Amino acid sequence: TQLLEQSPQFLSIQEGENLTVYCNSSSVFSSLQWYRQEPGEGPVLLVTVVTGGEVKKLKRLTFQFGDARKDSSLHITAAQPGDTGLYLCAGDNNDMRFGAGTRLTVKP
Amino acid sequence: NAGVTQTPKFQVLKTGQSMTLQCAQDMNHNSMYWYRQDPGMGLRLIYYSASEGTTDKGEVPNGYNVSRLNKREFSLRLESAAPSQTSVYFCASGRYEQYFGPGTRLTVT
Repeated sequence: TQLLEQSPQFLSIQEGENLTVYCNSSSVFSSLQWYRQEPGEGPVLLVTVVTGGEVKKLKRLTFQFGDARKDSSLHITAAQPGDTGLYLCAGDNNDMRFGAGTRLTVKP
Repeated sequence: NAGVTQTPKFQVLKTGQSMTLQCAQDMNHNSMYWYRQDPGMGLRLIYYSASEGTTDKGEVPNGYNVSRLNKREFSLRLESAAPSQTSVYFCASGRYEQYFGPGTRLTVT
């Protein structure tokens, strides 16, 4: 059983569409990170959220940390083919735990 | 500034063979980690080292050993490889924001 549950597991959309992916847990985290991983490479950190209710924006990506610090969401506006990849959330709870990821495909 | 480097990139072992995966970072981080990534499972923590001279078990430590050789280097050893250890192995450094190496693809036949 994953400590962090990510949904959906797979998502395929057309260029220009908006999307939201979710990261949920029953545990409280002191911080939560989002990473993007491309095939054959290691994950790359996108953002860290620390405060409950925090919202961070990174160009077309908006990250939100739940008020209770148990869940997070990632919203992408006007998705582009370059957004294709595996999106992983990770929670800091003495050690780092990762979700299984959402595999996003953006078709041109 | 190379970040996190891992060797080798690919390895094929027979059941029962041993090998050591090497990891080095040049970011002066105290914390270093070893993960394995399997399809549908995400990244699972094998071992971590919060500082030079200390190591701790993660979620899936069985069948592995680690050595924090110095602040830069953290190695992962498989003493007697098993097919269940076929996976992609990632080393990472950094406590709250982790930086990952390119991975080692290991196949055990």
